[in-house]
Amino acid sequence: NAGVMQNPRHLVRRRGQEARLRCSPMKGHSHVYWYRQLPEEGLKFMVYLQKENIIDESGMPKERFSAEFPKEGPSILRIQQVVRGDSAAYFCASSPSGIVETQYFGPGTRLLVL
Amino acid sequence: KQEVTQIPAALSVPEGENLVLNCSFTDSAIYNLQWFRQDPGKGLTSLLLIQSSQREQTSGRLNASLDKSSGRSTLYIAASQPGDSATYLCAAFYGNNRLAFGKGNQVVVIP
Repeated sequence: NAGVMQNPRHLVRRRGQEARLRCSPMKGHSHVYWYRQLPEEGLKFMVYLQKENIIDESGMPKERFSAEFPKEGPSILRIQQVVRGDSAAYFCASSPSGIVETQYFGPGTRLLVL
Repeated sequence: KQEVTQIPAALSVPEGENLVLNCSFTDSAIYNLQWFRQDPGKGLTSLLLIQSSQREQTSGRLNASLDKSSGRSTLYIAASQPGDSATYLCAAFYGNNRLAFGKGNQVVVIP
């Protein structure tokens, strides 16, 4: 049973470009969480999604960031018009339905904005 | 505000010594507290989860304690090994939709 998969593992973008980060949850998991880890900081919650629904996006910046988890395919975290401050590691986690504290984390995507 | 703090940020110990890592949280109304291990360039691996009704959890050389009244948790790693070198994160769960993480304790075990 494959774990949580994220791709790409590393992503380099120039300021103003778009970044699309993908997350495939563990098999049978319908809940996905995105966290951001800035340099020298802890992981900060961004958004919680179930299939086709955003449950809680209170940790996600209002501008330029969006997330989706379609009925088919991976969850996508999209960052438009990236700035240098977006450089960070973005982690995705998944959980069985309703068990928020049991989260399985992916390896993360390291985004570098030049 | 639900803040989680880990001190020290980094520490080094000789192989064979016991490791003691501290985590404090400002809001004592936690449901549970979890310790994770993070290796460079990799994801997080859950080590131990302590429910609010428990005082401690043990797994092999690892033991984690929880004191809700003082807002503290401690992770003990007995007889440390070089393979224990990693960053250890504690995360509190408050019954909402996320885990609240500390910044981590970066550990180096010197052979």
